[in-house]
Amino acid sequence: QLQLQESGPGLVKPSETLSLTCTVSGGSISSSGYYWGWIRQPPGKGLEWIGSIYYNGNTYYNPSLKSRVTISVDTSKNQFSLKLSSVTAADTTVYYCARQWSGSFNWFDPWGQGTLVTVSS
Amino acid sequence: DIQMTQSPSSLSASVGDRVTITCRASQSIGSYLNWYQRKPGKAPKLLIYAASSLQSGVPSRFSGSGSGTDFTFTISSLQPEDFATYYCQQGFSTWGFTFGPGTKVDIK
Repeated sequence: QLQLQESGPGLVKPSETLSLTCTVSGGSISSSGYYWGWIRQPPGKGLEWIGSIYYNGNTYYNPSLKSRVTISVDTSKNQFSLKLSSVTAADTTVYYCARQWSGSFNWFDPWGQGTLVTVSS
Repeated sequence: DIQMTQSPSSLSASVGDRVTITCRASQSIGSYLNWYQRKPGKAPKLLIYAASSLQSGVPSRFSGSGSGTDFTFTISSLQPEDFATYYCQQGFSTWGFTFGPGTKVDIK
C-alpha cells in the first residue's frame, strides 16, 4: 500500500525558506504515469495546489507561487521536496504531499497526513 | 485560471439523509473533475475521479455526475463516518489545478 509522509521544520522565520520532504513508501517514485505534488490549505480558503514533479525532474508550478517555489526529486531515496522562499505569515498552514495521476484527469491519491508549518519570528 | 465554486458551504444532515453538493467551474472542464473527503487530522481521500468514476474501495453510496461547468456529488444515505468536508478539484488545466472552497457536512 502506497504511503506518503511529510517531514520538515514546523516553524520557519519570516523571509526565510520553508523546506519540506515527502517520503514515499510501498511503491516507487519512478513509476510512470504519476507526478508527485504539493498542496496546502491557506487559512480560511480551500485547498491550493502548489506544484508537481515527475521522477525525471520535469516540474510545473502554480503560477501564483511560481516565483517562490522549487520542487525537486531524489529517486535514490524515494523522496521529493518542496522549497518555498521568502515566506510570510500567509504561508502558515498545513502542507500535504500527494501522488498525482497524470495520464488524464489529474487526480491526487493517496495523500500524506499533512504537516503544519508556522511562519513566525 | 479556472475558478471553482461549491454550494452550499456547509450543511447539517442526519444519518440516512441524502446529501447533494454542487460544484461549478468558471469555464468548461469536460469531465476533469475530482471529489475528495477530508476529516480533521487525516489525509484527504479521493472519492470520485473523472466526474463520475468511483475510486477503488470507496462505498457505492458516494456518486458524482456532470460535465462541462456543472457537477454534482451525492451521498445517497449519510453514514456517521461521512461527516467531513468535501472538495471538488479540476484537473483540466495544467496551468493550475484548482480546488473548490469545500462543503462541510455536519450532524443535524
